[in-house]
Amino acid sequence: SAVISQKPSRDICQRGTSLTIQCQVDSQVTMMFWYRQQPGQSLTLIATANQGSEATYESGFVIDKFPISRPNLTFSTLTVSNMSPEDSSIYLCSVRYPDSRETQYFGPGTRLLVL
Amino acid sequence: GDSVTQMEGPVTLSEEAFLTINCTYTATGYPSLFWYVQYPGEGLQLLLKATKADDKGSNKGFEATYRKETTSFHLEKGSVQVSDSAVYFCALTVSGGYNKLIFGAGTRLAVHP
Repeated sequence: SAVISQKPSRDICQRGTSLTIQCQVDSQVTMMFWYRQQPGQSLTLIATANQGSEATYESGFVIDKFPISRPNLTFSTLTVSNMSPEDSSIYLCSVRYPDSRETQYFGPGTRLLVL
Repeated sequence: GDSVTQMEGPVTLSEEAFLTINCTYTATGYPSLFWYVQYPGEGLQLLLKATKADDKGSNKGFEATYRKETTSFHLEKGSVQVSDSAVYFCALTVSGGYNKLIFGAGTRLAVHP
């Protein structure tokens, strides 16, 4: 089965700084997504990463705060900008493969703590 | 809008007990339904899915049946193990657009020896 990796796996950051999270898949995928899981909460979709064009953001999330890139069919980055303690969460990427119209598979997540 | 409601946790069981975690949904279209599991300190793993009414998804002894008449997708296992301790998320996706996944709040399961 395909492998989804994220870097870093965890980080502790100071408020006001930015962190870029990478998501790498070992085979081409049709769709890539970024989710946030706040402590003890469920998952919320931040945006859909579109290959070669601007990401599509969900209500409540904006590009200036969460810029996303997807330069090819196997790689995407999410940046958490100008961080505050409220950004402390697990950030997960997910993908959909060409042979699966509705199923999403998740990476291991990046655990972020902002002090 | 589309939504998923799960029974609140935590659910605490003894090993070999029967497990049911209730999940109901609201959707305007014809959703596909999923159960994901999150073990401590890990990401989400797909546990099982069903894409149309009356389908039964199954995996690792877990089962769930897509019930359109009751808009439910309850998760069951006949005999739980300590290793099943995790958080379980019910989710749906509606066809069209980007097939966004909508998650329930999650149910924490603790199984004791």
